[in-house]
Amino acid sequence: EIVLTQSPGTLSLSPGERATLSCRASQSVSSSYLAWYQQKPGQAPRLLIYGTSSRATGIPDRFSGSGSGTDFTLTISRLEPEDFAVYYCQQYGSSLLTFGGGTKVEIK
Amino acid sequence: QVQLQESGPGLVKPSETLSLTCTVSGGSISSSSYYWGWIRQPPGKGLEWIGSIYYSGSTLYNPSLKSRVTISVDTSKNQFSLKVMSVTAADTAVYYCARLRGAVAPEYWGQGTLVTVSS
Repeated sequence: EIVLTQSPGTLSLSPGERATLSCRASQSVSSSYLAWYQQKPGQAPRLLIYGTSSRATGIPDRFSGSGSGTDFTLTISRLEPEDFAVYYCQQYGSSLLTFGGGTKVEIK
Repeated sequence: QVQLQESGPGLVKPSETLSLTCTVSGGSISSSSYYWGWIRQPPGKGLEWIGSIYYSGSTLYNPSLKSRVTISVDTSKNQFSLKVMSVTAADTAVYYCARLRGAVAPEYWGQGTLVTVSS
């Protein structure tokens, strides 16, 4: 089973700043099978990025994904007030899905 | 746009079976493009994939839960279901159903339903 480790656990930033979130896999992950989600309190997760870098329907272009192999990154170019939330990476491999532990982006 | 809605008891006794149903609207569960899945989230914790099913009945399960979990599909009702046997307090969580992009990534999610395991 591939384990995903997200860092940092918490990111304290101000609106307008750039956020860089990391997701590291215990084994190589196909670029086609790495996704990112946003979750706000009391809500279901929302798919942001799939296939490492493709934005899901309706996702603003300030969200971007990159990476390959075992290291992947979600970047939010300029934080809007509605972007403060928890973010999860997720991979699919060997017919299994696993999620990272999450990064909380909080207002500084 | 596809919508998903979980339903089932919010309280289950220890050692009993948790049963939930996900009703799909705005799209057919028999579409060849998608798997349908269950994901859970214990209070204050992260996300855990439980398993996924294709409309044909083909299933994928999380190995850590496989011995206690059954996922089934009813195409005539546009629904799929989850059963977790022999539950304990550790199974207390918000349970989400979702439509996946292929088998790969949950794309559309239900609102989630809290299931508490307690006597």
